[in-house]
Amino acid sequence: KQEVTQIPAALSVPEGENLVLNCSFTDSAIYNLQWFRQDPGKGLTSLLLIQSSQREQTSGRLNASLDKSSGRSTLYIAASQPGDSATYLCAVIGGKLIFGQGTELSVKP
Amino acid sequence: GAVVSQHPSRVICKSGTSVKIECRSLDFQATTMFWYRQFPKQSLMLMATSNEGSKATYEQGVEKDKFLINHASLTLSTLTVTSAHPEDSSFYICSAVDLSNTDTQYFGPGTRLTVL
Repeated sequence: KQEVTQIPAALSVPEGENLVLNCSFTDSAIYNLQWFRQDPGKGLTSLLLIQSSQREQTSGRLNASLDKSSGRSTLYIAASQPGDSATYLCAVIGGKLIFGQGTELSVKP
Repeated sequence: GAVVSQHPSRVICKSGTSVKIECRSLDFQATTMFWYRQFPKQSLMLMATSNEGSKATYEQGVEKDKFLINHASLTLSTLTVTSAHPEDSSFYICSAVDLSNTDTQYFGPGTRLTVL
């Protein structure tokens, strides 16, 4: 049974810092991995989708990497801003989406 | 980009009543939609897979008679919470898979259900 774990559960950083969010999964037989952002009381916004054949994807200040063999993915956020404050969820796709529990990020001005 | 809507966004009901939540793909067709629920500070848990024109597939532990799913068209799936109880209070989110791009699920904005 696939299990997805995100560390840390919560993170608070000052504005301008670069940061890394971690996601690990137990079964490497996945199709894709996707990172989402969720603002309080809102739905999900897709940030990056990494296909199983890819190692990383970049969008603006965001860079996501995928290492299937070790069952890990990271989301790198450069030059963080207060507007980046949200919960970040990773999900592995192997037929269904299995979500991690999320990392709650707070960027202080 | 692909848009998925949910209606209502918030609903408060009395215990014992039934509540219907709609999920619509606005600019694409979706043979498959998914229903998730999310408790506060927790992740999304898949409840069921909704397939257009056929019965939904429920995850283990989800009561199909309590959470009725209907996917009558390529753009609409509905989730009905029957005889709702306070423990059904949750955030319900749907997603839809674009027929032309099956790699990606597009998520709705969610529905906050509160059962008094």
